[in-house]
This record gives sequence, structure tokens and C-alpha cells, in this order.
Amino acid sequence: AQSVAQPEDQVNVAEGNPLTVKCTYSVSGNPYLFWYVQYPNRGLQFLLKYITGDNLVKGSYGFEAEFNKSQTSFHLKKPSALVSDSALYFCAVTGSTLGRLYFGRGTQLTVWP
Amino acid sequence: DAMVIQNPRYQVTQFGKPVTLSCSQTLNHNVMYWYQQKSSQAPKLLFHYYDKDFNNEADTPDNFQSRRPNTSFCFLDIRSPGLGDAAMYLCATSGDQTYNEQFFGPGTRLTVL
Repeated sequence: AQSVAQPEDQVNVAEGNPLTVKCTYSVSGNPYLFWYVQYPNRGLQFLLKYITGDNLVKGSYGFEAEFNKSQTSFHLKKPSALVSDSALYFCAVTGSTLGRLYFGRGTQLTVWP
Repeated sequence: DAMVIQNPRYQVTQFGKPVTLSCSQTLNHNVMYWYQQKSSQAPKLLFHYYDKDFNNEADTPDNFQSRRPNTSFCFLDIRSPGLGDAAMYLCATSGDQTYNEQFFGPGTRLTVL
């Protein structure tokens, strides 16, 4: 069965500092991994994904994620956080069935000035 | 810009009074999804369409129905809303590969009085 875990409900970081939002996964077969961001009262926005190839994936708004097969992790990172990055972040993995996206429970990121 | 549109953004209904939420897309994607999301939890997949093929999640209540009259439009019908159905309802679309990311609409927030 496919699943992802986001071990932190909340991450707090000062503006200008690097940020990391953690995600680990469990899949059968090749993992297709995603990060989405959700601002209050809005839908989810796609940030980046890992399909295959380079373990470091670059995405929107300066975010990147590192795929680590041995640790089954796909942590989201940004070198310098902005207050506007404050939002709810979801890690997700697809299953073998088209249309089935397994979400983590989400991590609320707060960047304080 | 290609996009996913949901109407209305906010819907108030009475307990037991049927309600229909709509979603349209200009992306020409084959796959459309309906999710339910409650108070900063992960979105929960209700059902999805691959073209005209309807796929219901096993735990989606019978109270929820869906229609997809054409590629661009999809509707969510809640036949007899209960207080527990108050939530954000998200529509999403994707291409027809498992590794395609999903594009989300802004959501409809449903209130049940």
C-alpha cells in the first residue's frame, strides 16, 4: 500500500533562514512523489514532483526537494524563507491506480519576520 | 490562462436540502477528481472520472453523486446534506499518466445550517 508521513504538524522558521518540511514515503513499485502548497481558503497548488532521474528536484517559488531512496524520504527545502511562504504543505505519492493520490496529513509552515 | 474553475466559491444550504457544486476546466484533461477537505486536514478523494469512466472510492457515502456531461464540466451532487458534510470541496484535473500532477480549483466551501 502507498502512504506518506509528514512527522511535523508545524514548522516555524525566521525569515531569511533555510527551511525544511519533512516527508517519508512507503510505496510498492516506483514512487512518484509530489509537493503541494495550500494558502487559506484556496485550492492546492503544485510545487514540484519526482518521477525519475536527478534526486534533487527544483520547483516553483524557489522550492526544491531531495529524493532519498535509502531513507525513503522526500523533504521539501528552501534556502531562504519568506513570510509569504507561510502556508499548509502537503506531500503526496501516487498509487498504481490512476487517480489515486495519497496525501500526508500536512505541515503548517509559519515564517516569522 | 488554462485553469480549473469552481462555482460557487461559497455555498450555504439547509440540512437535507440538495445542493450541486460545479467544476469546469479549460485544460482539456481526461481525468477529473472531487475531494472533500475538512479543517486543514488532507483532502479526501470522493471519486474521479477517467474520461467518462466513473470511479467511486469505497468509503464515499451514497449521499454523494457526480455527473460529467462532457470533458470540461463535472458536478458534485449532495442529495441530503448533513452537518457532517460541511467542508471545502475541491475539484482537480490531471493528464492521463500516473505521474501527472493534479491541478486544483479554488474550492467551494459548503456550510450546512
